[in-house]
Amino acid sequence: DVKVTQSSRYLVKRTGEKVFLECVQDMDHENMFWYRQDPGLGLRLIYFSYDVKMKEKGDIPEGYSVSREKKERFSLILESASTNQTSMYLCASSVAGGPYEQYFGPGTRLTVT
Amino acid sequence: GQQVMQIPQYQHVQEGEDFTTYCNSSTTLSNIQWYKQRPGGHPVFLIQLVKSGEVKKQKRLTFQFGEAKKNSSLHITATQTTDVGTYFCAGCDYNSGNTPLVFGKGTRLSVIA
Repeated sequence: DVKVTQSSRYLVKRTGEKVFLECVQDMDHENMFWYRQDPGLGLRLIYFSYDVKMKEKGDIPEGYSVSREKKERFSLILESASTNQTSMYLCASSVAGGPYEQYFGPGTRLTVT
Repeated sequence: GQQVMQIPQYQHVQEGEDFTTYCNSSTTLSNIQWYKQRPGGHPVFLIQLVKSGEVKKQKRLTFQFGEAKKNSSLHITATQTTDVGTYFCAGCDYNSGNTPLVFGKGTRLSVIA
C-alpha cells in the first residue's frame, strides 16, 4: 500500500515564525503536491513537483516555498507565518505521467496565532 | 485558467434516498477523477473516467463522463450512513500542457438515519 506521511497532525505557530511541513511517500512516486483545504474552498494547489529539485507554482503559491531534495520527500515552507495561513495542509503523491490517482497524506492542521 | 465547478455544495438526504453530485468544467477535460473524504479524513481516490460518454459502476455508485467531456456526475443509489463525507471531482486538460489536476470544491453529503 502507498503510504504518504506528514510530519505533524496538528501544529500551532506564532505569527512571523518560519514553519516547515514535511511530507514523505514510500512508493517511489515522481509527482508530489501540496494543497490547502479550507471550508467552502475545496482543495487548492499551492506547489507541485514532478521530479527531484523541480518545483512548479500552483494556484496559490504566495507566502509559501517548497523544497524537494530527495524523491520521497517534499517540504512546504512558510517563510513568515501569518494568521491567514491557518488551514489544513494536505500532501499528495502520484506516479509520473497520467495524471494518475493521487494518494493523500493525513493532513496537518496548522493554526497561526 | 481551467475551472471545475461542483454542485450542490451540500446535500442532506434520508438514509435510503438517492444522491447525485455534478461536476462541470469550463474547458474540455482529458479525464475526470472522483475522490471521497470522510469527516476528519483525507481524500481517497474512487475512480477515473477518460472516455467520452463513459459510465462506470462501483456497487451503489455510478459515475458518468459527459459526451463533450466537460461534465461528470456521481450518483449514489439508496444512500447509507457510510456514504457520509465530501465528494470531490478533479480533472485536467492534457492540451493545456503538463498541468496538474484541478479539483472542484466538493459536495458534502449528510445522511440522516
